[in-house]
Amino acid sequence: ETGVTQTPRHLVMGMTNKKSLKCEQHLGHNAMYWYKQSAKKPLELMFVYSLEERVENNSVPSRFSPECPNSSHLFLHLHTLQPEDSALYLCASSQDYGRGLADTQYFGPGTRLTVL
Amino acid sequence: ILNVEQSPQSLHVQEGDSTNFTCSFPSSNFYALHWYRWETAKSPEALFVMTLNGDEKKKGRISATLNTKEGYSYLYIKGSQPEDSATYLCAFSGGGADGLTFGKGTHLIIQP
Repeated sequence: ETGVTQTPRHLVMGMTNKKSLKCEQHLGHNAMYWYKQSAKKPLELMFVYSLEERVENNSVPSRFSPECPNSSHLFLHLHTLQPEDSALYLCASSQDYGRGLADTQYFGPGTRLTVL
Repeated sequence: ILNVEQSPQSLHVQEGDSTNFTCSFPSSNFYALHWYRWETAKSPEALFVMTLNGDEKKKGRISATLNTKEGYSYLYIKGSQPEDSATYLCAFSGGGADGLTFGKGTHLIIQP
């Protein structure tokens, strides 16, 4: 147990659906992250929140919309996704963001997303 | 685009043998190098965070070294056990807003 939980663990959705992924951390951390892992690719950072403020990240399509209502919870809202968005989505948290990212990141188990 | 390479991609090792694998990363603008262990269907688990050239860290039978001047880190496992079977990921931080850049991992299988 890493102290980071994610729900659901598996999700199948159509291209016209709207769904949300949820992440919760019980570690008292100030920074939270969303990562994507596609088949045969390395983990890719999608979004970072530090003290509930989003750190600029401009390489993610707008059909992915993050939300961080408080320091313990992070959501990823999904709408009009494409089949190529099928991947494993991992959430992580760390004590702080900054300091050269030398803080250990604690990962959740991920949500396996399939877009039909 | 930062390039983090891990080799080999996969590795089969006999139980009891020792093994090691490599992470290569940019040698400029170095801030930190992370190692994670990821078992199938579980969360990636942090092993080490290394920040100083020449760092050596140890956790049980697993240890890691860091050479920031030439841009590589080695992970060593001594006396491999079946429970060591996992994918080992390294991640580089250049201190920028790009966050951690991960390698594709080394998939280690320990054969009894």
